[in-house]
Amino acid sequence: DGGITQSPKYLFRKEGQNVTLSCEQNLNHDAMYWYRQDPGQGLRLIYYSQIVNDFQKGDIAEGYSVSREKKESFPLTVTSAQKNPTAFYLCASSPTSVSYNEQFFGPGTRLTVL
Amino acid sequence: DQQVKQNSPSLSVQEGRISILNCDYTNSMFDYFLWYKKYPAEGPTFLISISSIKDKNEDGRFTVFLNKSAKHLSLHIVPSQPGDSAVYFCAASESRVGRDDKIIFGKGTRLHILP
Repeated sequence: DGGITQSPKYLFRKEGQNVTLSCEQNLNHDAMYWYRQDPGQGLRLIYYSQIVNDFQKGDIAEGYSVSREKKESFPLTVTSAQKNPTAFYLCASSPTSVSYNEQFFGPGTRLTVL
Repeated sequence: DQQVKQNSPSLSVQEGRISILNCDYTNSMFDYFLWYKKYPAEGPTFLISISSIKDKNEDGRFTVFLNKSAKHLSLHIVPSQPGDSAVYFCAASESRVGRDDKIIFGKGTRLHILP
């Protein structure tokens, strides 16, 4: 059945290492998004992509990078330049064929940098 | 500057009573509003939405009210049930034509349903 998958659910990394979070969707959605959630901060947009091979920075893109080589996949790399990478990361997708943006979320990945 | 504000970080409501979650926005270009529900360590799930051409949308126990002049919306849950205990995010966006494709989220309100 259709949905968005994020793997792994929990991820631990040492400080100074880059790490890539996976996001895959089989909903045939054109647009995909990455958010991070911190306590009391709500959801903050990191990067988004409306079409394959194109993406835009969100509000907190520094220290992150993305790629969109396939419609189904939108991996996020947390680089060593990200000052506070420990957070809960959420991927979302939405169809662009409708007038309004209604996003569907994956289950999230909790990244802990030790 | 927050464009979507949920001023109550938490709310406690007795089981069976009505829960009212509030949300204010500042951007008059927003014309579509959504509520998401989130359990700990899970992704948010879409709950209900409303476009600016309406002032009310109802889906079972959930009703969203929109007051455009006050730039205010609210989510009513009646009757409240234990499974409603979660964080609720209010979100807003503009219609898609010719603009950045973003949803702006509030910081969330944690709802506790008391037995």
